Amino acid sequence: DTAVSQTPKYLVTQMGNDKSIKCEQNLGHDTMYWYKQDSKKFLKIMFSYNNKELIINETVPNRFSPKSPDKAHLNLHINSLELGDSAVYFCASSQDPQGAGASVYEQYFGPGTRLTVT
Amino acid sequence: LAKTTQPISMDSYEGQEVNITCSHNNIATNDYITWYQQFPSQGPRFIIQGYKTKVTNEVASLFIPADRKSSTLSLPRVSLSDTAVYYCLVGDAGGATNKLIFGTGTLLAVQP
Repeated sequence: DTAVSQTPKYLVTQMGNDKSIKCEQNLGHDTMYWYKQDSKKFLKIMFSYNNKELIINETVPNRFSPKSPDKAHLNLHINSLELGDSAVYFCASSQDPQGAGASVYEQYFGPGTRLTVT
Repeated sequence: LAKTTQPISMDSYEGQEVNITCSHNNIATNDYITWYQQFPSQGPRFIIQGYKTKVTNEVASLFIPADRKSSTLSLPRVSLSDTAVYYCLVGDAGGATNKLIFGTGTLLAVQP
C-alpha cells in the first residue's frame, strides 16, 4: 500500500485555469504538508496543516489554497495558474510536530505531481 | 532560522564510504539535524536524525561534533543505487513547521 499518494502524477494546463491536486495518506498522521520543487530542485514548504491550525509560508501566493476534507486528505487548489507555477508539487505527512519528540521531522513524501503551465 | 550549507555535488565509486558534511553555524539549542534522500522523480525519503554525538541505523551514520555547528552523513560501501540528492535539514522539534527548510542538497553520483 502506498503510504502517501497524489493524483494526478502529471498535469498540463494553460495559464489562467484553476486546478487541484489531491493527496491522501494512510499512515494515520495528524499533519500534512505541501511542498514545491522548482526547476533548480529547491524544495520549499508551502503549507502545513493539522486539525489545529494551518501554517502558511508567507511567500506562497493566495492563489494557492489547501483544502482538507478529513484527516487523511489535503488537497491543493490553485487558481489563475501562471507560468511560474510550473514545478513538481509534493505532498507529505508526519505525526503532529508538537508532540512527536525527536521524530518530528520524519516526514513521508508522496511521489509528486509535475505541473506544467503553458 | 538555521541555514545549512552542503557541497553541491560529490562523486564516488561503488564500495567506497561516502561522507557528506553539512554546516549549520546558527543551529539553535532545540534544533535537531535530519537528513533526507531524494531519487529522481521521487519524493524525499527520511534517512537519519540526531541531536548530538553519533547516530547509526541500517542505512547510514550521522556524526555530530560537540559544538553541533556541522554534521556528517556517512554512507558505508555505496552502490549505484545510492546515487541521489541528499538534503541536510535543521529544525526545532517543538516549533512551527514553517521552520523546516530544505537546502540545495548534495548530488551524490556513484560510478561503477
